[in-house]
Amino acid sequence: KAGVTQTPRYLIKTRGQQVTLSCSPISGHRSVSWYQQTPGQGLQFLFEYFSETQRNKGNFPGRFSGRQFSNSRSEMNVSTLELGDSALYLCASSFGQGSGTDTQYFGPGTRLTVL
Amino acid sequence: GQSLEQPSEVTAVEGAIVQINCTYQTSGFYGLSWYQQHDGGAPTFLSYNALDGLEETGRFSSFLSRSDSYGYLLLQELQMKDSASYFCAVRSPGNTPLVFGKGTRLSVIA
Repeated sequence: KAGVTQTPRYLIKTRGQQVTLSCSPISGHRSVSWYQQTPGQGLQFLFEYFSETQRNKGNFPGRFSGRQFSNSRSEMNVSTLELGDSALYLCASSFGQGSGTDTQYFGPGTRLTVL
Repeated sequence: GQSLEQPSEVTAVEGAIVQINCTYQTSGFYGLSWYQQHDGGAPTFLSYNALDGLEETGRFSSFLSRSDSYGYLLLQELQMKDSASYFCAVRSPGNTPLVFGKGTRLSVIA
């Protein structure tokens, strides 16, 4: 079974631009979660989508948005990029039953650098 | 909400045993999970404790004590390849997201 894929793997943008990141979950998984990872800050939760609906949202500004398509693929968008948005953006998929055993499978991430 | 505390860094010698602690403050949760992330890699699931006690998977064991709001990951017979970051995580009931600690960077030295 193919794992979680994310595109692009690396991205360089300048301040003020916008960016769209893509995530394809494992086949059969209906939940996709997005995390921002920066040194020393661990994995900060951005949002979770389940069956095309945003189920949870983290404490990030409205510049961060996302969506999920009927095939469970997900995209996240960051508008008006700031230097502090430079980070590794990780996507994780799961079956989405929301229980403790709902293991998350992570993609390789997209490394975003904002200049 | 949930809050999980882990040491930021731990160093241990190859062949030794190391324990990575995780203390948490949460009103209720399903269980405690552990994930491993090598530099440049994606986090991968290691273990899950739904109940108090010790769960063993090969060289790795994980422990949970709900009464003490505490858990740990125990790595035995350390190998250089165990050098990585380790994250504890919890999920509360009600379709809530999985919340991670800030991670512990383990360095295994010869």
